Amino acid sequence: AQTVTQSQPEMSVQEAETVTLSCTYDTSESDYYLFWYKQPPSRQMILVIRQEAYKQQNATENRFSVNFQKAAKSFSLKISDSQLGDAAMYFCAYRSADFGNEKLTFGTGTRLTIIP
Amino acid sequence: GAVVSQHPSRVICKSGTSVKIECRSLDFQATTMFWYRQFPKQSLMLMATSNEGSKATYEQGVEKDKFLINHASLTLSTLTVTSAHPEDSSFYICSAKTAWVYEQYFGPGTRLTVT
Repeated sequence: AQTVTQSQPEMSVQEAETVTLSCTYDTSESDYYLFWYKQPPSRQMILVIRQEAYKQQNATENRFSVNFQKAAKSFSLKISDSQLGDAAMYFCAYRSADFGNEKLTFGTGTRLTIIP
Repeated sequence: GAVVSQHPSRVICKSGTSVKIECRSLDFQATTMFWYRQFPKQSLMLMATSNEGSKATYEQGVEKDKFLINHASLTLSTLTVTSAHPEDSSFYICSAKTAWVYEQYFGPGTRLTVT
């Protein structure tokens, strides 16, 4: 079974600065997807960024980028120019590429606080 | 596009009663829906996966007779908590996806309180 580990329960960053959230995972599969989800106080899960394991290039979405290290099974999220609206719980998630096994496995989350 | 709704957003019920939570995909056909449970300050735990027209597949440790899941159409899945007890109080989240795409779209969640 796959596991996802987020070792930072809480992080804080000054507004406009950069912060990196860590995520490691364990799997025996070679093809899979990785995601970062944001859960603000409203509790609505919002997809921040995704990475296909077969792609060597790190995914980027505006101020959000990932550092995907497949051999190390590491998938960190970098948030640049942090904004107050970035304050939320962030969950790393794993999904097999096998369409017969589509469930998401979530990490325990990192609570990000933005300091004005 | 890709909007998922849940109803109700909040529900309070008495111990021993049953409560039904609906999950709807508003603008796409959801071939697969997922039900998650989230305790305060914790992560999402998958309860079950349901494919339209088929019986749900429950995760280990989830009582299928207590948490009844029905996915009778391509836009609606329901979770019924039967004989609810205070320990069933939690935040329940559904997600939905269409065939042959990897992304799941999440509903806004339902807070269940059992008194």
